[in-house]
Amino acid sequence: GAVVSQHPSWVICKSGTSVKIECRSLDFQATTMFWYRQFPKQSLMLMATSNEGSKATYEQGVEKDKFLINHASLTLSTLTVTSAHPEDSSFYICSAQGWGIQPQHFGDGTRLSIL
Amino acid sequence: DQQVKQNSPSLSVQEGRISILNCDYTNSMFDYFLWYKKYPAEGPTFLISISSIKDKNEDGRFTVFLNKSAKHLSLHIVPSQPGDSAVYFCAASGGYGGSQGNLIFGKGTKLSVKP
Repeated sequence: GAVVSQHPSWVICKSGTSVKIECRSLDFQATTMFWYRQFPKQSLMLMATSNEGSKATYEQGVEKDKFLINHASLTLSTLTVTSAHPEDSSFYICSAQGWGIQPQHFGDGTRLSIL
Repeated sequence: DQQVKQNSPSLSVQEGRISILNCDYTNSMFDYFLWYKKYPAEGPTFLISISSIKDKNEDGRFTVFLNKSAKHLSLHIVPSQPGDSAVYFCAASGGYGGSQGNLIFGKGTKLSVKP
């Protein structure tokens, strides 16, 4: 149980393009979803937290107009990287958490490469 | 400043022996700790957790020990198997996994179990 699906797994696109990444909890309802970013040889860094039906809470230093997060249902959250540039190239990974005291369950991540 | 530290970037162990992965934290407000395992090109997989009211939690071959006074936790894997070879992340939360369940991750320790 507790499967989280993230799509796409790998994206290569031109600078200036907007990219949407989907995160779905397949077998449980996720009251909270988290978006992380990981640079090479670094730990996962939390970008934002989203609760279903409300605005996401962004971590300090993360541009909310650059990284748009939508959590429209208990099973789906999306991250849109708007007008992506090469410095946005990174590994983005989502996690989902169910009701109560539950661990976060992670998707397999999205490798984003901006040319 | 890193709040969760895994000071050993790598660990090599013989199959059948015990693997001990260590993690230190600095924030005394953390009250929920988790270990995740990560294979290349996949998202982290939840392994085991412990709350601050306990000092030990066991699940099969995996045991997590928490020493609150030392702000230290460790993951023991006994016996180690080649399939355990992966990167192990320690994570901490200040909200007992609830709505404040933002996880702070260490940088990970790469475990290699040799046949």
